[in-house]
This record gives sequence, C-alpha cells and structure tokens, in this order.
Amino acid sequence: GAGVSQSPSNKVTEKGKDVELRCDPISGHTALYWYRQSLGQGLEFLIYFQGNSAPDKSGLPSDRFSAERTGGSVSTLTIQRTQQEDSAVYLCASSSETGQETQYFGPGTRLLVL
Amino acid sequence: SQQGEEDPQALSIQEGENATMNCSYKTSINNLQWYRQNSGRGLVHLILIRSNEREKHSGRLRVTLDTSKKSSSLLITASRAADTASYFCATRSQGAQKLVFGQGTRLTINP
Repeated sequence: GAGVSQSPSNKVTEKGKDVELRCDPISGHTALYWYRQSLGQGLEFLIYFQGNSAPDKSGLPSDRFSAERTGGSVSTLTIQRTQQEDSAVYLCASSSETGQETQYFGPGTRLLVL
Repeated sequence: SQQGEEDPQALSIQEGENATMNCSYKTSINNLQWYRQNSGRGLVHLILIRSNEREKHSGRLRVTLDTSKKSSSLLITASRAADTASYFCATRSQGAQKLVFGQGTRLTINP
C-alpha cells in the first residue's frame, strides 16, 4: 500500500513568512509523529499525535510552531514568522497504534528560510 | 536532545567487506531501532531489538544490544555499493512514544 507522503517536497520562504507542511500518514495508522533534521542537531522529535490529540508536544521548539491533525488522518505543521534557524528537513512518521514500535517515515519536506 | 551517540561518524570500506557501527545511549529503553537514510531524505526501518533481546538477525544485518553497557552495534556483512547511506540508531523509552535518534554514521561502500 501507499506509504507516508509529505508535501511540499521542498519549500523556500522568506524570513518572517508563515509556512504549512502537510503529512498524509499510512491509511489506518492512528499514531503520527513529526521530527526535524537539521545540520548540527541531528533528528529531533517535535510532536506526537494519537488520533487527533497530541499527548506529547514537548519537542516543539517555540510557540511559533504548532501542529494539528484532523479526522485522525492528515496532519499540518505550521511555522509562523519563520527564522533562518528553522531551515531543516521536516519528517513525518506514522505507526499503526500506540505501542507499535515501528515508525514509517515519509520522504520529508526540505525547508529553506532565506 | 540527542540520547544516542554513534561511532564512527563516518566509515568507508571496500565492497564485500563487513561494516560495523556502534550506538550508545543514556537512559533505560524499551527497544532500540536502526534506520537507514539515503540522500538526507526519508528513513527506512531496518531492524528493531527489544530490551530483553541480545542479538537479532535480518538478512545481512546483525544487531546486538548490551543493556548493561547501554550500547548496540549494527553489522552489515558482505557490503554492497547500495548499502552506501547514513545509518541511525533510535531508542524508545518505557512509557514514551517518541524515538530519540543518534547522530548517525555515514557509510560509504567503495566498488
């Protein structure tokens, strides 16, 4: 079946603008995760959804970052007033249920803030 | 913050040789997983080993886990050019859902 998809693949924006990144998890997967991969910081957890609720949002770096999930499916990560340090690859993953260990990753969105 | 530390940071070997990568972590874990990443994009899950397991095999991959030393190793036997990628270990702690990743090892297989 289809894997995790993310859009856009690449996004270039100007400092101060807002961006929205989209993740479509594998159909039927109830758990969804956002991670960020940047030079010098490795892969960092941002937020975890179980259904539409986010029991763990401890990795969101600032209040400029927010995420939502609707219908237990698609998720959107929004970054407001982007800064150059937000430049990174944003990765989404899903798993079939809480406690299911394997997370399946999408191809990522490469964000560049000029 | 990153829990895992991987070693070496980069490894270059000849095709056909074995490649060994190591990962250390700091806290008690539920399981440890290894992922591969090509060209800085999506991660591909390779293998998972639970905290009560010591060794696991999958094809040309062999993973060991030593919880007393809080370390794991990934061995790729009979390497191929297509194995060229970055390899990450990731740990999942008890009661947590998120994965905590190491910094990764960049593996290059020379033909």
